[in-house]
Amino acid sequence: EDQVTQSPEALRLQEGESSSLNCSYTVSGLRGLFWYRQDPGKGPEFLFTLYSAGEEKEKERLKATLTKKESFLHITAPKPEDSATYLCAVQAPTGGSYIPTFGRGTSLIVHP
Amino acid sequence: EAQVTQNPRYLITVTGKKLTVTCSQNMNHEYMSWYRQDPGLGLRQIYYSMNVEVTDKGDVPEGYKVSRKEKRNFPLILESPSPNQTSLYFCASSFPGGTTDTQYFGPGTRLTVL
Repeated sequence: EDQVTQSPEALRLQEGESSSLNCSYTVSGLRGLFWYRQDPGKGPEFLFTLYSAGEEKEKERLKATLTKKESFLHITAPKPEDSATYLCAVQAPTGGSYIPTFGRGTSLIVHP
Repeated sequence: EAQVTQNPRYLITVTGKKLTVTCSQNMNHEYMSWYRQDPGLGLRQIYYSMNVEVTDKGDVPEGYKVSRKEKRNFPLILESPSPNQTSLYFCASSFPGGTTDTQYFGPGTRLTVL
């Protein structure tokens, strides 16, 4: 069974204090790993897709990296508007079906 | 504006009263799906559709039905809702190619079943 574990569950940072969120996964082969941002009362917003170990993607203050067992979402010099819940999901090649497995998310609060 | 819309946004109903939550996307996406989000459990997929008239079960399909008669619409049907279906529901769609890459999510429907 595919599993995704995100840590920490919650993270409080001061503005400008860089940190990383972790997503550990167990899948039988990885088709893709996805990062989303979710603001309170809204649907998840797509951030990145990573496909293979060693791959990195960046968007503004966010950088996602991938190894064979985990992914990190690095947040550099965060601002209060980066406060949100960050979700990680994985998808394995399961005989033609497309059922992603989501982690429970990391709630990030950035204080001014 | 590219978007996924859901209606209603909030719904309070009673056990056993059939209801439908609509979902529509304007991006010509082939892949659409429904999720429920519960505290401590994360997002779980209910059903997905690879294209018109092609649907399949996700992780938690019991008690739900879907249909895909048009490419843009993917309604979620609860024939006989029960309190354990109280949840936050999201519809999503993704680029042509039928994958879960780069899913666009709707704003959510908060359902309460009394």
